[in-house]
Amino acid sequence: AQKITQTQPGMFVQEKEAVTLDCTYDTSDPSYGLFWYKQPSSGEMIFLIYQGSYDQQNATEGRYSLNFQKARKSANLVISASQLGDSAMYFCAMRVTDSGYALNFGKGTSLLVTP
Amino acid sequence: DGGITQSPKYLFRKEGQNVTLSCEQNLNHDAMYWYRQDPGQGLRLIYYSQIVNDFQKGDIAEGYSVSREKKESFPLTVTSAQKNPTAFYLCASSPLPYGGRMNTEAFFGQGTRLTVV
Repeated sequence: AQKITQTQPGMFVQEKEAVTLDCTYDTSDPSYGLFWYKQPSSGEMIFLIYQGSYDQQNATEGRYSLNFQKARKSANLVISASQLGDSAMYFCAMRVTDSGYALNFGKGTSLLVTP
Repeated sequence: DGGITQSPKYLFRKEGQNVTLSCEQNLNHDAMYWYRQDPGQGLRLIYYSQIVNDFQKGDIAEGYSVSREKKESFPLTVTSAQKNPTAFYLCASSPLPYGGRMNTEAFFGQGTRLTVV
């Protein structure tokens, strides 16, 4: 069975600082994809960044980067230069070949950015 | 604009009543999914479909039913057999991965908040 673990229920960070949100995963499938989504209080799910299991380089998208450590099965999200608008729930998710390639989500981390 | 539309945004259900949540996409995606989200929790998979007229149970399918008569539409019915239906429901769609790559992101609707009264 596939599993995603996010161990930080809540995090605080000061504006303009960097923050790392942890994610570990477990799968025996050699081909998988790892995603991070942001969910503001409005409820919509916003795609942030993707990392494939065969990708050699860590993914980056603007202020978001993914610290992918395959041997440790971790895929931590790093947000640089935090902004007040970054306050939201953040979900790590994994896609494997079963369940119709559905994303399997962790329980999320609530991030609060303070002035 | 291309996207996924869920309706209604808010829905109230009486005890013993069936209700149907609508999900429509115009992205030409093959795969569609329904998730349930409870407060402070992640998303849990209810049903998924990869092709018209075919769908499969996810992790928490009991008390729910779906249909996929058209590629664009994947409605979810919450039946009276679902004992605790109050939750936030999200519909998603994505292209199916090809060539072993998993990089096709899932696009989500705005969600439907269902409350039992």
